[in-house]
Amino acid sequence: EVQLLESGGGLVQPGGSLRLSCTASGFTFTNYAMIWVRQAPGKGLEWVSAISGGGTNTYYADSVKGRFTISRDNSKNTLYLQINSLRAEDTALYYCAKVLQLWQIRPPDYWGQGTLVTVSS
Amino acid sequence: QSALTQPPSASGSLGQSVTISCTGTSSDVGDYNYVSWYQNHPGKAPKLMIHEVNKRPSGVPDRFSGSKSGNTASLTVSGLQAEDEADYYCCSYAGSNNLVFGGGTKLTVL
Repeated sequence: EVQLLESGGGLVQPGGSLRLSCTASGFTFTNYAMIWVRQAPGKGLEWVSAISGGGTNTYYADSVKGRFTISRDNSKNTLYLQINSLRAEDTALYYCAKVLQLWQIRPPDYWGQGTLVTVSS
Repeated sequence: QSALTQPPSASGSLGQSVTISCTGTSSDVGDYNYVSWYQNHPGKAPKLMIHEVNKRPSGVPDRFSGSKSGNTASLTVSGLQAEDEADYYCCSYAGSNNLVFGGGTKLTVL
């Protein structure tokens, strides 16, 4: 059974930083690209970032480029999202998700429960 | 990277059918057969209902079906049941290893 468990969210002041983690199990982690998706309060889903299975290639939405860094440790089956220079508009529930297709970045199949990031002074 | 357009709400009576649209552009929905649909109940992880336009994962009732015409994808739920009441989101591959989601549709079962 595929399981994804996010952690690392919390309350942070504007300009601050956080590192989100997502621990995966139930599939061969290195074979699949992984993505982060966020949902601001009362809003829809927004794709944030993606990373290839080997971790070499990373991709970002324009809204977070330059401030967010996605990475993974395949030895630990763990995905990360480093978030810097946080803004109020980054307040959201952050989901990690596994993509459906092998080797390619495509829409996901499995999602975690999410970790909440709140940016406020 | 503009969001895909979905109606904010949709509704149908028990047993009836409802169709939710998802409109994109020739750079995403119109250009790729990688459109997925997700059901999201409050407080739960989104659940994949349809992938690659019209493929249903194992365990998803065949009351759920997907289709695409041009730049618009659609999700149809037939034989509406109370447990189908949820938010539904579409997602499309948008090229260059980017993804784009719809704004979501709140489905109400009357």
